[in-house]
Amino acid sequence: AQTVTQSQPEMSVQEAETVTLSCTYDTSESDYYLFWYKQPPSRQMILVIRQEAYKQQNATENRFSVNFQKAAKSFSLKISDSQLGDAAMYFCAYYNTDKLIFGTGTRLQVFP
Amino acid sequence: NAGVTQTPKFRVLKTGQSMTLLCAQDMNHEYMYWYRQDPGMGLRLIHYSVGEGTTAKGEVPDGYNVSRLKKQNFLLGLESAAPSQTSVYFCASSYSIWDRVRNEQFFGPGTRLTVL
Repeated sequence: AQTVTQSQPEMSVQEAETVTLSCTYDTSESDYYLFWYKQPPSRQMILVIRQEAYKQQNATENRFSVNFQKAAKSFSLKISDSQLGDAAMYFCAYYNTDKLIFGTGTRLQVFP
Repeated sequence: NAGVTQTPKFRVLKTGQSMTLLCAQDMNHEYMYWYRQDPGMGLRLIHYSVGEGTTAKGEVPDGYNVSRLKKQNFLLGLESAAPSQTSVYFCASSYSIWDRVRNEQFFGPGTRLTVL
């Protein structure tokens, strides 16, 4: 069965600095998708970035980028130039065969 | 477009009562999902549907039933609520996973359910 592990329950970063959130997953599949979702205090789940496993190039969305290491089954999220509005829970998720499997989340605090 | 909406936003039940949570989407998505979110456990899949008239069990289906009579609606039912079902419930929808460009899931705002 596929699993997703986020080993950092909490992280903190100073405004304008860079932070990296870790995610590892386990699967025997070769074709799948990986996502990072953000959940602010409003509880709304917001898609941050997605990566297709068959693409070697790391995805980038403005200040958000990923480091996708397929062989190591690692999918970390880098947030550059952190802003106060980035404070939230961040969930890594694996998608294959109709189901989205989430990690337990990392709470990110951003200090001014 | 309203996206994914959930009704109600909050609900308090007594043990043994029943209720139905309604999820609606206006994006013509084939796939719809129900998750529960508990502290420290992320989101766990309860049931899902890959099309009108179809449903399937997820990771934690016990105590819940679902129906997808119309493509845009996905109902989650609790027949006899238990305190262990106190949680935040999220509905989501998406195009088929095989749509490589548009297969991300869109989430509703959540329903906070408390069972006393």
